[in-house]
Amino acid sequence: DTEVTQTPKHLVMGMTNKKSLKCEQHMGHRAMYWYKQKAKKPPELMFVYSYEKLSINESVPSRFSPECPNSSLLNLHLHALQPEDSALYLCASSETPDSLYEQYFGPGTRLTVT
Amino acid sequence: AQTVTQSQPEMSVQEAETVTLSCTYDTSESDYYLFWYKQPPSRQMILVIRQEAYKQQNATENRFSVNFQKAAKSFSLKISDSQLGDAAMYFCAYRGGETSGSRLTFGEGTQLTVNP
Repeated sequence: DTEVTQTPKHLVMGMTNKKSLKCEQHMGHRAMYWYKQKAKKPPELMFVYSYEKLSINESVPSRFSPECPNSSLLNLHLHALQPEDSALYLCASSETPDSLYEQYFGPGTRLTVT
Repeated sequence: AQTVTQSQPEMSVQEAETVTLSCTYDTSESDYYLFWYKQPPSRQMILVIRQEAYKQQNATENRFSVNFQKAAKSFSLKISDSQLGDAAMYFCAYRGGETSGSRLTFGEGTQLTVNP
């Protein structure tokens, strides 16, 4: 099973709301990633969790807060977002953070900030 | 820093024909991995094929094959017998060693249209 699941599929939120995106994998992978993707653009890396510890934060604004409660779950907490944060948010996982292991992507959450 | 360039924003191919998507990259690393990902309108990024830089043999996966030219830093994707389901955005991606960390560097993508 090479599946990464993400919920919700779609999310509309106001600028004062607090919401969370959820990502789950049951492949035993020890590295998990959050990406942001704008239309017709490649994904941009936001965060990397390696063995449940945050290893990379690509200078993402603090209104995005990642959390890795266990090795299978990755959350992205959202607060006070801006309209320019509207995008597709992709989660991915790989066996370890080592470069030889490909990343498996989830279907994404389409976020709209009003 | 590593960069990946896809010079063809859009390509089209007739069903059953062959198409080649171009990708070049720039790196000072000797050990790295290259990938082609496909992203159809359903949005899911799907791994199409991967190539290890230390392998001289070009990777193949059914109708998909690559032409890996390490000295030229070129990594093109050939799709044979194109099918309607191949229509998607294709991203070339690079993942290196220690200087790259865990980062996957993507090209800007090539939108492939398959005409019936």
